[in-house]
Amino acid sequence: GQQLNQSPQSMFIQEGEDVSMNCTSSSIFNTWLWYKQDPGEGPVLLIALYKAGELTSNGRLTAQFGITRKDSFLNISASIPSDVGIYFCAGPLSSNTGKLIFGQGTTLQVKP
Amino acid sequence: EAQVTQNPRYLITVTGKKLTVTCSQNMNHEYMSWYRQDPGLGLRQIYYSMNVEVTDKGDVPEGYKVSRKEKRNFPLILESPSPNQTSLYFCASSSGTEWGIQYFGAGTRLSVL
Repeated sequence: GQQLNQSPQSMFIQEGEDVSMNCTSSSIFNTWLWYKQDPGEGPVLLIALYKAGELTSNGRLTAQFGITRKDSFLNISASIPSDVGIYFCAGPLSSNTGKLIFGQGTTLQVKP
Repeated sequence: EAQVTQNPRYLITVTGKKLTVTCSQNMNHEYMSWYRQDPGLGLRQIYYSMNVEVTDKGDVPEGYKVSRKEKRNFPLILESPSPNQTSLYFCASSSGTEWGIQYFGAGTRLSVL
């Protein structure tokens, strides 16, 4: 089936460092979503992107909708210990099917 | 408080013993969905429902059943669980217009022996 490929699979960084991760697809998406899953909890939406080229921020997080509509990027600036978790990209297959596809996730660990 | 509630949170069962995982939301959302999370595979959609009495298969529906008789509830049924259904399960809901923006429950960790 349809796949979203996230990179990297895991990251281990020092507190204060910036983080970049991306998500790519072989198909075009009209919406890109970024979710974060804290340990032991369900995913929570961080950022939603609706337009090619769009750059959206949420605090220290910035996400971009790729121009080709086949990729998206998430950056975290000045990481802190509570940034630990799994970050997922996701996209609806189309506007009205109800099917949501998730990437495999990027696991982030932050060393204080 | 707006929330999606799943029960039970943890379940250990044996092969072939029918079980139901309940999911309830109090946000009057039209859309509800079930996912399973396995290491290295992310979240995979099992079934979803765009509204009451409307359900559709996701990517991995085999071995699962769902029903949507009322708006707030969307139970996941495993008629004859097998060990390959050992996983972490999440229920989610969203409004009909922005169904990609989903609110997740806390998860149900299921082990089938």
